[in-house]
Amino acid sequence: SAVISQKPSRDICQRGTSLTIQCQVDSQVTMMFWYRQQPGQSLTLIATANQGSEATYESGFVIDKFPISRPNLTFSTLTVSNMSPEDSSIYLCSVEENHHQYFGPGTRLLVL
Amino acid sequence: KQEVTQIPAALSVPEGENLVLNCSFTDSAIYNLQWFRQDPGKGLTSLLLIQSSQREQTSGRLNASLDKSSGRSTLYIAASQPGDSATYLCAAYSGGGADGLTFGKGTHLIIQP
Repeated sequence: SAVISQKPSRDICQRGTSLTIQCQVDSQVTMMFWYRQQPGQSLTLIATANQGSEATYESGFVIDKFPISRPNLTFSTLTVSNMSPEDSSIYLCSVEENHHQYFGPGTRLLVL
Repeated sequence: KQEVTQIPAALSVPEGENLVLNCSFTDSAIYNLQWFRQDPGKGLTSLLLIQSSQREQTSGRLNASLDKSSGRSTLYIAASQPGDSATYLCAAYSGGGADGLTFGKGTHLIIQP
C-alpha cells in the first residue's frame, strides 16, 4: 500500500495569510485527492489532482481559494489562500491504488 | 448525489462486548465501500474494503457486511478492547475515475476498560 507523508503536520496561522500543504507519496500514482475535515464533521472532498492537468474541484470549492499543484506522479500541494477562522480544519491528502484509497496523516490548521 | 449516514454517532461499551456499527448510503450504484479508523490527531487507517460484488469481508476481530440493494453496511467488532477506541468512518466509492470517497460523519467509539 502507498505510504503518504504531509508537511506541515500542523500550523497556526493569522487570518488573511496563505499556507501551502505538501503531500508526498512513495510510489507513482495517477489520482491524488485533497479532503477537508472541519471540526466535528466528516471528510469532504475538495478536489482531484491528476498530473499534467488542471485539478477538478467539487461544488463549493474554487481554485482561487484552494490552488493545487501536481508537478509529478509522487507529489502535490494544496494552498489555502486568504485564510479565515472558518478554514480551521484538518486537510488530508489521499491516493488511489487498485480502487483502495490511502490517506496521509493530515495537516491540522488553526486560523486565528 | 451520494449521501452516507452512520448510526450511532457515539457509542460507549465495556470491554469484551461485541458491537455493531451501522452505515447507510443513498445511491446503491457503488463500486466499493470502505471502513476506516481515525485516531485523534492522526490520519485514516483503512480497515476493510468490500467490493460491490461481495457480501462481507473479515480481518481478525472485524467483519464488514454489504447489502447494496438496501444501501447498508455494518461493521462488527468482536470481543472489543480499549485499543479499539477511535472514530470509525464508512465511505462509499462510486468508481467514477476522478470521484473521491463520500464519507459518513463517523461513529465515535469508546471501549471502557
